[in-house]
Amino acid sequence: AQRVTQPEKLLSVFKGAPVELKCNYSYSGSPELFWYVQYSRQRLQLLLRHISRESIKGFTADLNKGETSFHLKKPFAQEEDSAMYYCAGGGSQGNLIFGKGTKLSVKP
Amino acid sequence: KAGVTQTPRYLIKTRGQQVTLSCSPISGHRSVSWYQQTPGQGLQFLFEYFSETQRNKGNFPGRFSGRQFSNSRSEMNVSTLELGDSALYLCASSPLDRTYNEQFFGPGTRLTVL
Repeated sequence: AQRVTQPEKLLSVFKGAPVELKCNYSYSGSPELFWYVQYSRQRLQLLLRHISRESIKGFTADLNKGETSFHLKKPFAQEEDSAMYYCAGGGSQGNLIFGKGTKLSVKP
Repeated sequence: KAGVTQTPRYLIKTRGQQVTLSCSPISGHRSVSWYQQTPGQGLQFLFEYFSETQRNKGNFPGRFSGRQFSNSRSEMNVSTLELGDSALYLCASSPLDRTYNEQFFGPGTRLTVL
């Protein structure tokens, strides 16, 4: 079965420290992977997708097919990065399969 | 453009009742997906509609149903409510026929079943 796993429920770092939010997937074929973010009292929104290979708000994510991972990284965390982060993959039914999410807390 | 809107935002029902939730997608978006979000299970896909047709369906019982109107607005219905149906129900719309390429989420409807 297609599955997206985020092993950390909570990640706490200090401002200026590097951040890596882990995501592993279990898929057959070529997955389409995304990171969604939900800031406090805001809607879930797309942060980035692997096919565009873009950097949004300083975040990047590289698809590693050998390790079946799509970790989200940022070299220097900011307090405004504190949010809930969800890794998601495109399911065979055309839907999104979400991981359980990781709460990132950036301390001053 | 106005974002995805969902009504009502909060709802309290009792077991055995039924409920209808509404979602208005972004203008021009033809795909609408529904998700259930709970602390234990996270975000789970319910179903997706495109041009008034249910195109995809998640692994939920038949008590969960939906429909889409010609203006792309969508409703989902849950019959014979159970305590476990308490959740945040999210609607997302997409301009493309491949739903997960560009999904825009609404604020959700918080359903509490007593």
